[in-house]
Amino acid sequence: QKEVEQNSGPLSVPEGAIASLNCTYSDRGSQSFFWYRQYSGKSPELIMSIYSNGDKEDGRFTAQLNKASQYVSLLIRDSQPSDSATYLCAVMAHGSSNTGKLIFGQGTTLQVKP
Amino acid sequence: EPEVTQTPSHQVTQMGQEVILRCVPISNHLYFYWYRQILGQKVEFLVSFYNNEISEKSEIFDDQFSVERPDGSNFTLKIRSTKLEDSAMYFCASYRAQLHSYEQYFGPGTRLTVT
Repeated sequence: QKEVEQNSGPLSVPEGAIASLNCTYSDRGSQSFFWYRQYSGKSPELIMSIYSNGDKEDGRFTAQLNKASQYVSLLIRDSQPSDSATYLCAVMAHGSSNTGKLIFGQGTTLQVKP
Repeated sequence: EPEVTQTPSHQVTQMGQEVILRCVPISNHLYFYWYRQILGQKVEFLVSFYNNEISEKSEIFDDQFSVERPDGSNFTLKIRSTKLEDSAMYFCASYRAQLHSYEQYFGPGTRLTVT
């Protein structure tokens, strides 16, 4: 059973701080990883994709991937109250590169306090 | 910016009735998906669709479910005889499959309530 694990939180940070969100996955052959943001009652919104080991930065967001440790993380710098949401880690199932099936974690709820 | 659209936003149906959920994927995308999310639970994969056929389906996607791309723009999910446990948010997603890019974009979802 391929699994994606996240701490459900809530993770509470003050405005302006760095929020660090973590995700582990069980399928060692996975190659494609994604972070989505989901506001309550809304659909997942793609924030970042990462395919290679190391860091990938986009504005205030940095995704980090370590395939050897089967670990993906998302850093949000200068956190804003509008960043308060559930952050979903998604992994493309190995062997599904032709189908694109995504396996999602439970999500981590982030609360940014003014 | 192109978006995935879904209709209706909310569907209420009685147990045993058939429902059809509709999606219009992003126009130049080639891969289409349905996912569902039961309240408070994970987003779960249902089915993927490429080149006018199902490419992968989950255990959830049993004989009560079917998908269709009836024309060049719409992508539908049909549930033949709804059960109470089918109550969930249903999301359509699509991606283009460019080299080294597998980013899926989700529609706003249809909330299905089975009574």
